[in-house]
Amino acid sequence: AQKVTQAQTEISVVEKEDVTLDCVYETRDTTYYLFWYKQPPSGELVFLIRRNSFDEQNEISGRYSWNFQKSTSSFNFTITASQVVDSAVYFCALSKDSNYQLIWGAGTKLIIKP
Amino acid sequence: DADVTQTPRNRITKTGKRIMLECSQTKGHDRMYWYRQDPGLGLRLIYYSFDVKDINKGEISDGYSVSRQAQAKFSLSLESAIPNQTALYFCATSASRGTDLSYEQYFGPGTRLTVT
Repeated sequence: AQKVTQAQTEISVVEKEDVTLDCVYETRDTTYYLFWYKQPPSGELVFLIRRNSFDEQNEISGRYSWNFQKSTSSFNFTITASQVVDSAVYFCALSKDSNYQLIWGAGTKLIIKP
Repeated sequence: DADVTQTPRNRITKTGKRIMLECSQTKGHDRMYWYRQDPGLGLRLIYYSFDVKDINKGEISDGYSVSRQAQAKFSLSLESAIPNQTALYFCATSASRGTDLSYEQYFGPGTRLTVT
């Protein structure tokens, strides 16, 4: 069975601190896809990144970076120099190659204090 | 204009009433999904449709039905609403072919449904 675990229910940091959101997944598939979504207080879900199981290169996009490690089944998300606008709930999700259903983690609520 | 729209955005209804939530998309995607979100539980899949004639149950389909009227439209119905169906409902789309092939899903703004 597939499963996504985001053990951090809520994280609170002061602005400009770096913060890492953890995501651990379980799957028996050899090909799969991992995702991060952001849900700001306004409620919409915003796609951030997709990673393929055969591509373990880390990715950086501005202040955001993602560390994918198959050996530990983790796909962690780091925000560098956090800002108040980063406050949101962040979801990690997993999908199979032949089936595009997303399996979602429970989300991590990130609070950035000014 | 938004690529994925949902109507209504907010709805309060009474127990036992039938209610329909509608989703439309202009992304040209073939796949559409309905999720519900409850606090602390993330998103759970209710139904999904890979094309107009292909509709599948998700994790929590009991008490819900769907209709894919066209590639761009996917509606969710609660035949007889009950209070524990109070939740935030999201529609999403994805593309399985063509130049838009992707595995990520794009979401509508959500419908907040309250059943009293």
